[in-house]
Amino acid sequence: GDSVTQMEGPVTLSEEAFLTINCTYTATGYPSLFWYVQYPGEGLQLLLKATKADDKGSNKGFEATYRKETTSFHLEKGSVQVSDSAVYFCALSSGAGSYQLTFGKGTKLSVIP
Amino acid sequence: EAGVAQSPRYKIIEKRQSVAFWCNPISGHATLYWYQQILGQGPKLLIQFQNNGVVDDSQLPKDRFSAERLKGVDSTLKIQPAKLEDSAVYLCASSLDTATGELFFGEGSRLTVL
Repeated sequence: GDSVTQMEGPVTLSEEAFLTINCTYTATGYPSLFWYVQYPGEGLQLLLKATKADDKGSNKGFEATYRKETTSFHLEKGSVQVSDSAVYFCALSSGAGSYQLTFGKGTKLSVIP
Repeated sequence: EAGVAQSPRYKIIEKRQSVAFWCNPISGHATLYWYQQILGQGPKLLIQFQNNGVVDDSQLPKDRFSAERLKGVDSTLKIQPAKLEDSAVYLCASSLDTATGELFFGEGSRLTVL
């Protein structure tokens, strides 16, 4: 079945540091890939997505590229801020026309001033 | 625009008791999902509705869990009888367009079973 593997957290970075959160997946066919973020006290929200190989999703300074050859969708940001502190979830959907998401376990990011 | 509303936010019960969670999706969203998120894990889909019909309930433990969406708007998830391993956050999500993959999540209902 479909699965998503994320790097273990928690991750603690200083402000303005470079962020990478690794995500790899196993799926049948050609899934769509997503990063969702959960800020403290809030619900999950979509951060970015990519629907086909070599697509790059980007939002709020975050980027992730759909790499079919390595089955990866790593999340990156060049300079993190304290406000980026949150839990980040990698997810995929391989259901045609019906977006049932399979999530990774989540990676908690803490950014310190 | 109002987001996905869920209640209660927190619930503590003893094993073998019953509990119900309510979800009101964003207005106009035809698709509604219930996810279970156990501490330290990612959310796992329990059931998906399209309007008031069930699209997928293959991962719903039907011996104790039930869900309904009678009028195609709000939904209720029930657990009876609860087990210790049901302690989790129950997330409701809705989507307008299944072609985009963007689900809108509520804040969740945290269940503790003692």
